[in-house]
Amino acid sequence: GAVVSQHPSRVICKSGTSVKIECRSLDFQATTMFWYRQFPKQSLMLMATSNEGSKATYEQGVEKDKFLINHASLTLSTLTVTSAHPEDSSFYICSANLIGTEVSKQYFGPGTRLTVT
Amino acid sequence: GQNIDQPTEMTATEGAIVQINCTYQTSGFNGLFWYQQHAGEAPTFLSYNVLDGLEEKGRFSSFLSRSKGYSYLLLKELQMKDSASYLCAVMDSNYQLIWGAGTKLIIKP
Repeated sequence: GAVVSQHPSRVICKSGTSVKIECRSLDFQATTMFWYRQFPKQSLMLMATSNEGSKATYEQGVEKDKFLINHASLTLSTLTVTSAHPEDSSFYICSANLIGTEVSKQYFGPGTRLTVT
Repeated sequence: GQNIDQPTEMTATEGAIVQINCTYQTSGFNGLFWYQQHAGEAPTFLSYNVLDGLEEKGRFSSFLSRSKGYSYLLLKELQMKDSASYLCAVMDSNYQLIWGAGTKLIIKP
């Protein structure tokens, strides 16, 4: 099946620094990737939709200047958390949309746990 | 607005059967997904239903009724490793997933 990887899996950073998270579709091309954030005991929350070659579409309440998304190729999207603060500590998950003739599925990456100290 | 409802928590016994229900109201429908999520891990795909009826896959089955906006996930021969959260998600007309809050399933020996 389709595989999506994320790097790093875990990262600890100091408040005020920036962190980049990579999302790669390993064996398929993804014109669209999604970035989610999950806080403890809550459902996944969509942050933004990343489209290859164009600007990302952010959900209401998500600061586009703080969460920079770049979808430079059909297999790579990056999320950069700029000037991170402790409240940004969360589990960040990406997914890639596989559009087929019969089924549309999202394949999820393993997630990145960000801790801001 | 768009809404997905599923029970917050359920408890079942090892070896038994459990049914997790999900009701939804969304703008458009392009399929319903069930995911399993163990604590601290990303959700893993379990099933996808786009037509009415029952889809069986090993110990897990998923049912969909589009007219009722209703789905259930049926888990048979429960094992301790099935203890996890089960997320129901609907793909809307824009091909984006609308997620439920998840059902925490506790399996007791």
